[in-house]
Amino acid sequence: QSALTQPASVSGSPGQSITISCTGTSSDVGSYNLVSWYQQHPGKAPKLMIYEVSKRPSGVSNRFSGSKSGNTASLTISGLQAEDEADYYCCSYAGSSTFGVFGGGTKLTVL
Amino acid sequence: QVQLVESGGGVVQPGRSLRLSCAASGFTFSSYGMHWVRQAPGKGLEWVAVISYDGSNKYYADSVKGRFTISRDNSKNTLYLQMNSLRAEDTAVYYCAKEYCSGGSCPPAADPWGQGTLVTVSS
Repeated sequence: QSALTQPASVSGSPGQSITISCTGTSSDVGSYNLVSWYQQHPGKAPKLMIYEVSKRPSGVSNRFSGSKSGNTASLTISGLQAEDEADYYCCSYAGSSTFGVFGGGTKLTVL
Repeated sequence: QVQLVESGGGVVQPGRSLRLSCAASGFTFSSYGMHWVRQAPGKGLEWVAVISYDGSNKYYADSVKGRFTISRDNSKNTLYLQMNSLRAEDTAVYYCAKEYCSGGSCPPAADPWGQGTLVTVSS
């Protein structure tokens, strides 16, 4: 199972909005509304930010939103803040034989 | 609060075995599936294995299938990962994580995660 495709890096200024894409195939992202997004700060464990494409766990800021179109899922962060600078990973369910596949990760820089 | 604490990592020679443990507390362990996810140094996340709440269903990444075994002891609130025939490419921080939705209704979402344990495969 190939990893999902994410841009290696994105950047934005405080207060701006950015979008991170996550492209899979009809076997994973395109077949299931089961895409999750994780935030990982350096040296820390990942944190779940979005699940089931667009749902936010309790405690996650509503500046984070998710969506999907076809084989591509997206994470949008609005009103960028310095603490949003981190690595972001998407992950999709890929059926019972493969279960889960991650994207390669995107480094977000807040300028 | 939910706490996951991994242990068992270390340096091991290629071809040898290692067993990781993940001690869980702060939630009803027997009601949730559990994941192992790894991260090679400086690299991205790779999902490794998942086990259902009762241990009846297990799934593995192709890269570890036939070499790694996930298991759990609900009486001890502990998750395990038995790793055999280790290779250099298995070198990574191994995280355990709790299934986010009970009953596995929103795979592969997982949260929270433990702090990880480093496995280094080297001669």
